[in-house]
Amino acid sequence: GQQLNQSPQSMFIQEGEDVSMNCTSSSIFNTWLWYKQDPGEGPVLLIALYKAGELTSNGRLTAQFGITRKDSFLNISASIPSDVGIYFCAGQLPSGTYKYIFGTGTRLKVLA
Amino acid sequence: DSGVTQTPKHLITATGQRVTLRCSPRSGDLSVYWYQQSLDQGLQFLIQYYNGEERAKGNILERFSAQQFPDLHSELNLSSLELGDSALYFCASSARLAGTDTQYFGPGTRLTVL
Repeated sequence: GQQLNQSPQSMFIQEGEDVSMNCTSSSIFNTWLWYKQDPGEGPVLLIALYKAGELTSNGRLTAQFGITRKDSFLNISASIPSDVGIYFCAGQLPSGTYKYIFGTGTRLKVLA
Repeated sequence: DSGVTQTPKHLITATGQRVTLRCSPRSGDLSVYWYQQSLDQGLQFLIQYYNGEERAKGNILERFSAQQFPDLHSELNLSSLELGDSALYFCASSARLAGTDTQYFGPGTRLTVL
C-alpha cells in the first residue's frame, strides 16, 4: 500500500536531548497529522497541521507543515523516558480523496 | 481516551473462520475509517464510511467487508481467515468527510489467527 517516507526509522537518544523526524512525499497533502503509538495501543494524536508553512506546538513537541506541502517535520525538545514509542506522520490527499496516507514510523528509544 | 471504542480487544480464532470487529465513533463523528497494522508495520488504510455510505477504499481484501449502521457504529467482517490476517485492526473517526479533518483512533482489536 501507499506510504509516506518517514525518517529516521529508529533512533536512540539520551534523556534531555532534542529529537527531529520528518516525512516526505512526492505528493501534495492538504493536512498533516502526527501520532504517537505505544506498543499494543492505538495511535494518539499529537499535532494537526492544516496550512502550508504552519508551525504548531504542543508542549515540548513542535511540528511544521512544509511550504511545498510535500513534507512535515516533528521536533521533540528535552526528551524524557516516556517519549519512547513509535511516531507516525499521516498526510491527507487533496480534496476528492478522503483517506490518509501513513508514514512508516519512527521508533524512538530514550536512554535515561 | 480518544472517545472511539472498539470491541473486542483481543480475538483468537482459527483459519477459515469468520469474525466481526466493532467500532463506535466519537460522539458526533460521521466518518469511520478502518486500518490494519501487521507486526512492526505501519498503518494500512482499508476502508472509510461516512454517514452510512462507503466513501473510500484502500487495500481491503475481497474476503473483508464493512458497514456503517444508522447509529453510526461500524463493523468490519473478516472471513475465510488466513494466518496472515493476524494483525491489529484499528478504527478511527472524524467529524467531517474531507477538508480539515482530524482522525482519532480507537484502542484497536488484536486478531490472532491460529
